[in-house]
Amino acid sequence: AQKVTQAQTEISVVEKEDVTLDCVYETRDTTYYLFWYKQPPSGELVFLIRRNSFDEQNEISGRYSWNFQKSTSSFNFTITASQVVDSAVYFCALSEAITGGGNKLTFGTGTQLKVEL
Amino acid sequence: DTAVSQTPKYLVTQMGNDKSIKCEQNLGHDTMYWYKQDSKKFLKIMFSYNNKELIINETVPNRFSPKSPDKAHLNLHINSLELGDSAVYFCASSHNYGYTFGSGTRLTVV
Repeated sequence: AQKVTQAQTEISVVEKEDVTLDCVYETRDTTYYLFWYKQPPSGELVFLIRRNSFDEQNEISGRYSWNFQKSTSSFNFTITASQVVDSAVYFCALSEAITGGGNKLTFGTGTQLKVEL
Repeated sequence: DTAVSQTPKYLVTQMGNDKSIKCEQNLGHDTMYWYKQDSKKFLKIMFSYNNKELIINETVPNRFSPKSPDKAHLNLHINSLELGDSAVYFCASSHNYGYTFGSGTRLTVV
């Protein structure tokens, strides 16, 4: 069975600090996808990134960057120069294909990030 | 146009009532899902449908009955609501590994 672990329940930082959110996953599939979602206080799920298991290149998007390491089954997310608007719950998720069509997202328990002035 | 729309956004109801949540997607995706987010923010899949056919039923009580009249719609009907059903329910659709989530329905059972 697939599993996603986000060991950090809550992180508090001061604005402009860098922060890394950890994600460790378990799967027996050779092909899979990893995701990060942001859930701000308004409640919607905001897609941040999707990475497939064959692409280990790190990715940077503005102040966001992701580090995917298959050797340690980790897909960590770093926010550089954090801002108050980054305050949210961040979810890491793993997708597996399902017989019959479609796939299934398994979510981690989320990390609550609080950015204070 | 909203890609995945679910209604209502908020639903407050008494224990024992029956209620439905509707979901529609205009993305042409073949697969639709219901996810439940509990009070601790834990997100878990409940059901998935592929081309109107039930694919996943994750040990959800049979008081929950999804219905997919066509591949653009996946509704969730809940009978005999219980306090523990209070949660946020997210509808989603996917094509390959690209997911789109609805904005969620906050169900409160009193």
